[in-house]
Amino acid sequence: VQLVESGGGVVQPGKSLRLSCAASGFTFSTYTMHWIRQTPGKGLEWVATILYDGSEKYYAESLKGRFTVSRDNVNNTLSLQMDSLTVGDTAIFYCARDLSTWGWAYWGRGTLVSVSS
Amino acid sequence: EIVLTQSPGTLSLSAGERATLSCRATENLSTSYLAWFQQKPGQAPRLLISATSRRATGIPDRFSGSGSGTDFTLTIGRLEPEDIAVYYCQQYGRKPYTFGQGTKLEIK
Repeated sequence: VQLVESGGGVVQPGKSLRLSCAASGFTFSTYTMHWIRQTPGKGLEWVATILYDGSEKYYAESLKGRFTVSRDNVNNTLSLQMDSLTVGDTAIFYCARDLSTWGWAYWGRGTLVSVSS
Repeated sequence: EIVLTQSPGTLSLSAGERATLSCRATENLSTSYLAWFQQKPGQAPRLLISATSRRATGIPDRFSGSGSGTDFTLTIGRLEPEDIAVYYCQQYGRKPYTFGQGTKLEIK
């Protein structure tokens, strides 16, 4: 199982960024996936979840309307579209695979998003 | 939102000692959806325990979890230098999924 995030970087406040998570080593289309972010100040924070088939999506309340999660089960890719970014969105973003009660055992190494003018 | 409060904030022990880390929730949790993670500097969190007490693949048996209701515990028996890390609890049974703020484990 491998998850590799990409797309992070330095972006100005108000701009957009799209993160990707390339999945391999498992049948991507059968797993619910998550995005989590980590900041020094707020620690680990759940961002979004998308069901295995993309039929349902869930977001942290504070991010609704700005962040959009999606997936491509043909190319085994999870995405996170982030709009109207603020300095407070500066964080390392991780993707993780869900396994119900067995927990979130697989995480990527993360991609750093830095929002700064 | 379920808030998880971990204690202590920092734990300093000697190698070979036993570590007890606490996680308290603001609401009763299903034991099926309480996890513990270990995070070392520059690394992603690593799942240690799921469903309160089930060790993840490859996790040594000196790591154990217990608890119910609002109080959960991660115990690390016979500390080793490699256990230096920050440990987080997580509830993943009810959205928004939440994490504790972490306990930093130091080896004297």
